[in-house]
Amino acid sequence: QKEVEQNSGPLSVPEGAIASLNCTYSDRGSQSFFWYRQYSGKSPELIMSIYSNGDKEDGRFTAQLNKASQYVSLLIRDSQPSDSATYLCAVNRATDSWGKFQFGAGTQVVVTP
Amino acid sequence: SAVISQKPSRDICQRGTSLTIQCQVDSQVTMMFWYRQQPGQSLTLIATANQGSEATYESGFVIDKFPISRPNLTFSTLTVSNMSPEDSSIYLCSVRTGVGEKLFFGSGTQLSVL
Repeated sequence: QKEVEQNSGPLSVPEGAIASLNCTYSDRGSQSFFWYRQYSGKSPELIMSIYSNGDKEDGRFTAQLNKASQYVSLLIRDSQPSDSATYLCAVNRATDSWGKFQFGAGTQVVVTP
Repeated sequence: SAVISQKPSRDICQRGTSLTIQCQVDSQVTMMFWYRQQPGQSLTLIATANQGSEATYESGFVIDKFPISRPNLTFSTLTVSNMSPEDSSIYLCSVRTGVGEKLFFGSGTQLSVL
């Protein structure tokens, strides 16, 4: 079992719709969770962080964390063509030293006009 | 956030040669991290670089292949030694900083080995 799992996609989303991305992790002691957006040929860009159960909203993005079920999700509302990218889920494992993140393989999102 | 400058941005190298990648941060940070992203794959941590001590390498990565320097709190280098085509990847420098100690990435070095 991979430590951080994501559906690889591609996830095709009509413009203006909601894109829903899921991520599960194996280490129940994980404490910090992040979503990165990566455009083709570019480095990952942090878009959301979440540390406690529940929802966290930032503009069109909402991160949701459920530690009991060991999943974190990202919702993108009113999807735009500029949201077409690969989204990486990252988890800071409790058993690792400070700063070591585990990344999922990423979900490719394609927003169609 | 942090401004992380990485160079070169890309390079094409011959098999058996070495390439040194530089990473400069606009603020002092305790630890810097080097990741590799192979084509179509996610990010894999190569090593953690602390100022004043030897880097800590992840399983599957060794110092002879990926020597790292960390001379001060704003700068680090990663060398990819004796390169083979399997080393063709994007190499990323990163730091944790700011509220919540979030992880930020440099612009990356796209390496192609022929």
